[in-house]
Amino acid sequence: RKEVEQDPGPFNVPEGATVAFNCTYSNSASQSFFWYRQDCRKEPKLLMSVYSSGNEDGRFTAQLNRASQYISLLIRDSKLSDSATYLCAVLSYGGSQGNLIFGKGTKLSVKP
Amino acid sequence: NAGVTQTPKFQVLKTGQSMTLQCAQDMNHEYMSWYRQDPGMGLRLIHYSVGAGITDQGEVPNGYNVSRSTTEDFPLRLLSAAPSQTSVYFCASSSGEGAHQPQHFGDGTRLSIL
Repeated sequence: RKEVEQDPGPFNVPEGATVAFNCTYSNSASQSFFWYRQDCRKEPKLLMSVYSSGNEDGRFTAQLNRASQYISLLIRDSKLSDSATYLCAVLSYGGSQGNLIFGKGTKLSVKP
Repeated sequence: NAGVTQTPKFQVLKTGQSMTLQCAQDMNHEYMSWYRQDPGMGLRLIHYSVGAGITDQGEVPNGYNVSRSTTEDFPLRLLSAAPSQTSVYFCASSSGEGAHQPQHFGDGTRLSIL
């Protein structure tokens, strides 16, 4: 099983739709979780960190389910500008040092 | 602040050539890392550093060397380029000694090996 897995999509949704992405991770000791956004041919940029109690930033809501080992990202009222690839990232510990392991990304395309 | 600066942005090499990808950050971040991104493979960690003088291997280190003589700079060296190293390379940095803080990425180096 891959350490971090995401549905690659693409998710094609109309403007105004609500869309949800899930990301599963295999290391139960993982402690830090993030969602990044990557536009075509650009670098990844932090969208939001994911906290244990869940957190919201405007139209974006991130949640963590430790029991089932997944994180989720909900986007409400999708905009054309939300079209991008969304990467989840999990801090995974191997040996004494933790490193960030990324999922392969889920591509979102928001249509007019 | 410039953030994380990578040079060059594009490079074409012939098989067997060597080169160094440069990465510099001006945020006084302790943690720096190099990733490669290939279609269908996502971002994979090559090498990382938790501070000046300290480096370690990530998931795909073969064929690459790194050094960290200063806090600001973290160059990635390709010893003898191979077509399998054709990829987009991203350098990233974060505050603190580990990767538990959000990563700041450079805008990438697109490398083609012929």
